Amino acid sequence: DTAVSQTPKYLVTQMGNDKSIKCEQNLGHDTMYWYKQDSKKFLKIMFSYNNKELIINETVPNRFSPKSPDKAHLNLHINSLELGDSAVYFCASSQTGTYSYEQYFGPGTRLTVT
Amino acid sequence: SQKIEQNSEALNIQEGKTATLTCNYTNYSPAYLQWYRQDPGRGPVFLLLIRENEKEKRKERLKVTFDTTLKQSLFHITASQPADSATYLCALDGFGNQFYFGTGTSLTVIP
Repeated sequence: DTAVSQTPKYLVTQMGNDKSIKCEQNLGHDTMYWYKQDSKKFLKIMFSYNNKELIINETVPNRFSPKSPDKAHLNLHINSLELGDSAVYFCASSQTGTYSYEQYFGPGTRLTVT
Repeated sequence: SQKIEQNSEALNIQEGKTATLTCNYTNYSPAYLQWYRQDPGRGPVFLLLIRENEKEKRKERLKVTFDTTLKQSLFHITASQPADSATYLCALDGFGNQFYFGTGTSLTVIP
């Protein structure tokens, strides 16, 4: 069974559209994340979320919003897509606690905005 | 803001040699540091975690060191193999479950 899954794997859309990327984890983790990886392969955290708290990276435009219907899902909704949003988006999950826990990443969603 | 740099974007070594990757950080003192491997078209995969009070951590052919004075972590792969070719990322564990990743080093092991 896939631990962290994302859909779709590829997403091509036009500027100005609104789109969503879905993420599901079956690991029973409390915390989920969204990352953006740009063309230079730099991986940057966008959000971390557990059932208590949403932490937003201050550099993320408010066009991006995470939505969590339940503990196993964290979807990413993007409004008014721009060319600069083209990137690979990764979902991840981990345990929560005072210790540092490894993150499990999904396969990524390659978003292309034309 | 946090700045994490990894040595040279690309590193080529001969099979059987030891690969050494560097992760340098500024403006922060993390309690933990993690290393990940990323293959093309895939998500990163966790390799090792080291705490600030640990000088060294080993796992099979992998070794990580953590020098909080120098603000540096070294990642070693001994007896390297072509299958070790990938991009390696270091990550600092910040507050509130916020992870900050380095720029990555692309390692190529030449047969």
